[in-house]
Amino acid sequence: AQKVTQAQTEISVVEKEDVTLDCVYETRDTTYYLFWYKQPPSGELVFLIRRNSFDEQNEISGRYSWNFQKSTSSFNFTITASQVVDSAVYFCALSEATGRRALTFGSGTRLQVQP
Amino acid sequence: DVKVTQSSRYLVKRTGEKVFLECVQDMDHENMFWYRQDPGLGLRLIYFSYDVKMKEKGDIPEGYSVSREKKERFSLILESASTNQTSMYLCASSHTRELTEAFFGQGTRLTVV
Repeated sequence: AQKVTQAQTEISVVEKEDVTLDCVYETRDTTYYLFWYKQPPSGELVFLIRRNSFDEQNEISGRYSWNFQKSTSSFNFTITASQVVDSAVYFCALSEATGRRALTFGSGTRLQVQP
Repeated sequence: DVKVTQSSRYLVKRTGEKVFLECVQDMDHENMFWYRQDPGLGLRLIYFSYDVKMKEKGDIPEGYSVSREKKERFSLILESASTNQTSMYLCASSHTRELTEAFFGQGTRLTVV
């Protein structure tokens, strides 16, 4: 069965600090997809990134970067020079290609960025 | 832009009532999902559907049912609401091909009193 673990329940940083959100997953499929979503205080889930299991290249988008390592089953998310607007709950999720098409979510990490 | 619209943002219902949560998407997506979100538990899958009139149980289907009579609409039904069903309910839709990301509605916060 697939499973996603976000061990960090809550992280608090001061603006301009770098912060890394951890995500560890379990799956028996060789083909799968990993996702990160952001949930700001307004409540709506915002898609950030999708990565398939065959693409281990790290990705950078502005202040955001993602580190995918199949050897450790991890898909970590780093925010560089954090800002107050980054305050939100962040979810990591997994979807198996051969199983059900639904996303399995981790429990989320609440990030608070203090001014 | 893909839009997933849930009929209510906030609902208050009484124990034992039959409750309908409606969700409509406008992008012709095959897949639709219902999740509930509770603090510390993340999002948990209740039911999902890959096609009209088709439904599959998710991880926590007890106490819920669903209906998908049209491709764009996916309804979640609480047959007899109970206080432990007080939660945030999120609807999502996605395309089958390439397992693209799921798009979410704004959520319905249901309180059962």
